[in-house]
Amino acid sequence: QVQLQESGPGLVRPSETLSLTCTVSGGSLTSFSWGWVRQPPGKGLEWIGHIYDRGSAKYSPSLTSRLTISVDTSNNQFSLNLRSVTAADTAVYFCARFSGIYGMDVWGQGTTVIVTS
Amino acid sequence: DIQMTQSPSSLSASVGDRVTITCRASQDISNYLAWYQLKPGKVPKLLIYAASSLQSGVPSRFSGSGSGTDFTLTISSLQPEDVATYYCQKYNSAPWTFGQGTKVEIK
Repeated sequence: QVQLQESGPGLVRPSETLSLTCTVSGGSLTSFSWGWVRQPPGKGLEWIGHIYDRGSAKYSPSLTSRLTISVDTSNNQFSLNLRSVTAADTAVYFCARFSGIYGMDVWGQGTTVIVTS
Repeated sequence: DIQMTQSPSSLSASVGDRVTITCRASQDISNYLAWYQLKPGKVPKLLIYAASSLQSGVPSRFSGSGSGTDFTLTISSLQPEDVATYYCQKYNSAPWTFGQGTKVEIK
């Protein structure tokens, strides 16, 4: 059974870079896409971006200038780097597997990131 | 970019009621539409994929329909455990936009 687990700092200072890693266990990165979704406090779900197993990525238009998603197949991980964060980037961040026509079917538990000085 | 509009934004219904949530895309997305359930403090749960296919393990009281631009999520008999916010998401092409959510409560 595939499981995903987010890791990274819970606090980030304004203007710095938010870095999160999602570790995939019980399965391989190949043949799937892997994505990030966030939920700011009191708001709805926001798609951040996703990366295909071969490394090409798609990003939210509102974040593309600050965002990099990468994949590390040797360690069965994929990562998110969001630069120049502000308080608006405070959210619960989820990683998820995208299984083509089947949608985002496996999710991590989520990790809370607070941007604060 | 294609916009996803859900309605209503919230609803209150009695246990056993039939509940319908709609999601409209600003352009044709074929059947690349998923529905998720999100409870406070929990992980989003995939309910429906490809507009009308029920994800394994999801109760059969949930169903989805539609194609093109208009989609519907139906709960045939609302249960207390269905209290949650429901989101549609398009995934025909990036960006994979979510709807703004529909909060379902028990009357």
